[in-house]
Amino acid sequence: DQQVKQNSPSLSVQEGRISILNCDYTNSMFDYFLWYKKYPAEGPTFLISISSIKDKNEDGRFTVFLNKSAKHLSLHIVPSQPGDSAVYFCAASARYGQNFVFGPGTRLSVLP
Amino acid sequence: GAVVSQHPSWVICKSGTSVKIECRSLDFQATTMFWYRQFPKQSLMLMATSNEGSKATYEQGVEKDKFLINHASLTLSTLTVTSAHPEDSSFYICSARATGADQPQHFGDGTRLSIL
Repeated sequence: DQQVKQNSPSLSVQEGRISILNCDYTNSMFDYFLWYKKYPAEGPTFLISISSIKDKNEDGRFTVFLNKSAKHLSLHIVPSQPGDSAVYFCAASARYGQNFVFGPGTRLSVLP
Repeated sequence: GAVVSQHPSWVICKSGTSVKIECRSLDFQATTMFWYRQFPKQSLMLMATSNEGSKATYEQGVEKDKFLINHASLTLSTLTVTSAHPEDSSFYICSARATGADQPQHFGDGTRLSIL
């Protein structure tokens, strides 16, 4: 039973356009979320987080939106760059909990 | 900041041997460290959580006698795969989290383990 879902295994976007990566969760106890980016043969790199007291968090080209009622969050990258091509994982945790549950990842390809 | 070093990055060994993987937080103290395993084209699967100075908490289905975890200091955790077999071949990744609520995990670059 997947508690964190990323239903798009892959996404292709033209350079300069917006990339939107989606994540859905089922556990209503989750209220802290993170996005990670992973290149092949490397560990994931933390990108951005959001807690349930917010519905949006922005850091440079990256913005995360949280819709608690829909149990849905999304990562927007704008403008997309070829270096953004990687696998993106969303992860969820209950606040003050120890463990994060990871989604299966979405492979983003930004085409020049 | 927040650098996690994992060593070795790649190891090949014979079936039956034991392999130790180290995970170090280089510029922060990690109260909690996590060990993950990733199968090809699948997500990270949490194996165990370790807190400095205490026994690790293993996820269901993970053999604690097979995957020995030691978190001896606030900057070092080790995973030892004992009597490794070909089915243990995988990509193992550690992460470390600093003290405090809502701290993100910072990941090492992973270890590719191949058992012949």
